[in-house]
Amino acid sequence: DAGVTQSPTHLIKTRGQQVTLRCSPKSGHDTVSWYQQALGQGPQFIFQYYEEEERQRGNFPDRFSGHQFPNYSSELNVNALLLGDSALYLCASSYEVGLAGGADTQYFGPGTRLTVL
Amino acid sequence: AQKVTQAQTEISVVEKEDVTLDCVYETRDTTYYLFWYKQPPSGELVFLIRRNSFDEQNEISGRYSWNFQKSTSSFNFTITASQVVDSAVYFCALSEPGYSTLTFGKGTMLLVSP
Repeated sequence: DAGVTQSPTHLIKTRGQQVTLRCSPKSGHDTVSWYQQALGQGPQFIFQYYEEEERQRGNFPDRFSGHQFPNYSSELNVNALLLGDSALYLCASSYEVGLAGGADTQYFGPGTRLTVL
Repeated sequence: AQKVTQAQTEISVVEKEDVTLDCVYETRDTTYYLFWYKQPPSGELVFLIRRNSFDEQNEISGRYSWNFQKSTSSFNFTITASQVVDSAVYFCALSEPGYSTLTFGKGTMLLVSP
């Protein structure tokens, strides 16, 4: 049973460029969330996708966008990169239990380390 | 707004010592979920435990145990007889029902030396 996978593992970009990160959820999961983890900090929620739509978003600018595909995999896109976007980007998947059903556990991938020069 | 505080930035112990990692949370929800994750140097967050707000029973899993106290809004994590492999950053997290999004603390780095 494959866990959450992310690609690429590492990425180096320069300011102003655009980047796309990819995530495949754990088998049986239909919800994907993205988190940004700066060095020495806890992960910060970026957004969550369910049924191919963004249904919740954290405090991140519109430069951060995403997509979910019919097979539940997801992409995170960041435009006009800033030095401050350098971080570990974590993808987490879970199984939607519905608003009345509680919160299912999120399982994380190994992350993509983005360095912006 | 939800908030998680892990006041201990770094803890160093010698192998076989017991260690407790503190977690204090804030939420206005009456139903919520608490989690602990482990992040080894490889970077991947590893799920350890989930607890809902209606279940205050303490839990033990091998060398790990968790003490949930709603009265003090705390969800502390104890490792008994620590081992070098326990060295990692440990995160406490809080989730509201439905969307499963997590609010994390800043983490506690645990260093276990032989």
